[in-house]
Amino acid sequence: EVQLVESGGGLIQPGGSLRLSCAASGFIVSRNYMSWVRQAPGKGLEWVSLIYSGGGTYYADSVEGRFTISRDDSRNILYLQMNSLRAEDTAVYYCARERGRWEAFDIWGQGTMVTVSS
Amino acid sequence: DVVMTQSPNSLAVSLGERATINCKSSQSVLYSSNDKNYLGWYQQKPGQPPKLLIYWASTRESGVPDRFSGSASGTDFTLTISSLQAEDVAVYYCQQYYRTPYTFGQGTKLEIK
Repeated sequence: EVQLVESGGGLIQPGGSLRLSCAASGFIVSRNYMSWVRQAPGKGLEWVSLIYSGGGTYYADSVEGRFTISRDDSRNILYLQMNSLRAEDTAVYYCARERGRWEAFDIWGQGTMVTVSS
Repeated sequence: DVVMTQSPNSLAVSLGERATINCKSSQSVLYSSNDKNYLGWYQQKPGQPPKLLIYWASTRESGVPDRFSGSASGTDFTLTISSLQAEDVAVYYCQQYYRTPYTFGQGTKLEIK
């Protein structure tokens, strides 16, 4: 079964760091375009970051320089390293797979909640 | 950035009736080399991740009921539910994947009248 399972969320103080993981099954992460998308409580969807099969990365301006997307090809896991966290980073973070290159997101994880608060 | 604007923000439709959700992009998301609009529609129910309904503006994802359809005219896009069912109550989002940053519409909340 094709599946994504996120983990690593939690309560973190402003300025802190957190690493999210997204374990994939049923397909190979490194052969796909993978993104992180977040959703603040009661709000809409916001794309955060993309890593494509060639290893290149893209970021939203709101997280550029603070977040780093990466993957472990041997473990088939996608990561999001989040540093210098702010209250406005509070959200459910989803990992998602594009159905091809520069395509819509066809597979989503269930999400992991990140709360940035003192 | 490509701004995606949906209308209306909320919509109440009777069971069995047609529901129409609109989405407008601030610039073209049509890639001329393949004549495809880089536009998708998603359905999100409470406590669940989004689910892909439509991609390339009008291609239905596998397993999605045929009462869901998408269309495009320039920078205007429409998601239509031909006969609303109770299970269609959700928030619907459009998204452009023409260029990064990928951007979503603000969402349209669909309810039963």
